[in-house]
Formats: sequence, structure tokens, C-alpha cells
Amino acid sequence: DGGITQSPKYLFRKEGQNVTLSCEQNLNHDAMYWYRQDPGQGLRLIYYSQIVNDFQKGDIAEGYSVSREKKESFPLTVTSAQKNPTAFYLCASSIDAGLDYNEQFFGPGTRLTVL
Amino acid sequence: KNQVEQSPQSLIILEGKNCTLQCNYTVSPFSNLRWYKQDTGRGPVSLTIMTFSENTKSNGRYTATLDADTKQSSLHITASQLSDSASYICVVSLPNQAGTALIFGKGTTLSVSS
Repeated sequence: DGGITQSPKYLFRKEGQNVTLSCEQNLNHDAMYWYRQDPGQGLRLIYYSQIVNDFQKGDIAEGYSVSREKKESFPLTVTSAQKNPTAFYLCASSIDAGLDYNEQFFGPGTRLTVL
Repeated sequence: KNQVEQSPQSLIILEGKNCTLQCNYTVSPFSNLRWYKQDTGRGPVSLTIMTFSENTKSNGRYTATLDADTKQSSLHITASQLSDSASYICVVSLPNQAGTALIFGKGTTLSVSS
């Protein structure tokens, strides 16, 4: 069963804590992405990775960190430096980040709430 | 500034009726335009992708149109069903920009009632 999985579906964090959101794909895609979605707002890019051991900042990278040690996995850590982390986080993947007609496939999302 | 504006913000229709969602963009240059459907609490799912040379593309009861001259796109839903209740997101892609190419609209929330 191919696709993108994210875990957990819901995550609660106390202020000052770091939390890590998991994203795994078995589509053999080179590129992976993390987006943040807030109510009434368009998706905003946090980080993306075109290849293993490489990643680039998106529009709102401050307070977040990522790693890409395996092609299948792209975890996102929300650090205590992120001032307003409560949001819906979406992971996506595509065959190649550089192709214009490149469809991105999204995971089911993780809803993070700061208590 | 590259922007994607969608209208209306929300829409309520009766089951079986047709509806049209609008997308205006100021993105330039332009590579392709995508429509996604996002159910509440789920990730977006692609409905259509159109390049600047395509005027229309269908996916079942969903038909997207594109006018690259006026920078407008529409998504027409025919014979709506309760399962069409979702947010519909218009996304415009910039060419030759790895990773950061997608400009997302805020979405139109469609509610189909019986």
C-alpha cells in the first residue's frame, strides 16, 4: 500500500518542549516537503529536501529543524523557539523537486496543539 | 507580488446542484495551475493540473478551466454530492524553482447539504 504516512495524527506540547513529527513515504520519491496550514490561510512551506542529506529552508523555517538521513523519512522538529506552533502540519513528496509538472502527494497531516 | 486569490471564501449548495469556484492569480512567470481537494482534517488530494497551454481539464464531475491571458481559473463541480463537501485549493506553480515553486490560495470551503 503506497503512500505517505504521518504520525501522530494529534500531538500536544507544553510550552518550552521540542516535539518531532514523523513523515514516511514508500513512493520512492526524491523530494519531500513540510508545510504549515493555519485556519483561513494558504499552505506555507517550512522546509524541503531534494535528496538525502540535503534540505533547504522554505518561507517560514524559523523555529523548526529537519533531517533527511533516509530517502523514505523526513522528520520535522518543532523547537521551543517557534513562538506560535499550534497548527496543522502537512508533509508531501514528489518525484523530483526540480520538475515543473511535478505533482506533490500529501500525507494525512498532524495537528499540533500547544497547551 | 505573487498571489493566488480564491472566491468565494465559502459556499453552501444543495445536493445535486452545480457550482463554480474561482481562482485569480498574479503569479508570473507561470508554469502550471493545480486544483486540490482537502477534506476536513486530511491532506490535500490533487484533482487537476494544467499547463499554461491547456484551457480545460476534467476529472470525473470536476472540470477545471484556465485563461492564461486573464490569469483566471475556475473549477466546476457537476451534480454535487455530499462527499464533495471540502476545501478546494488553487495552487499556481512557478517554473524552474525547486521546492519553493508552489503558491497556494486560501481555499474555498464548499458545503453540500441534502
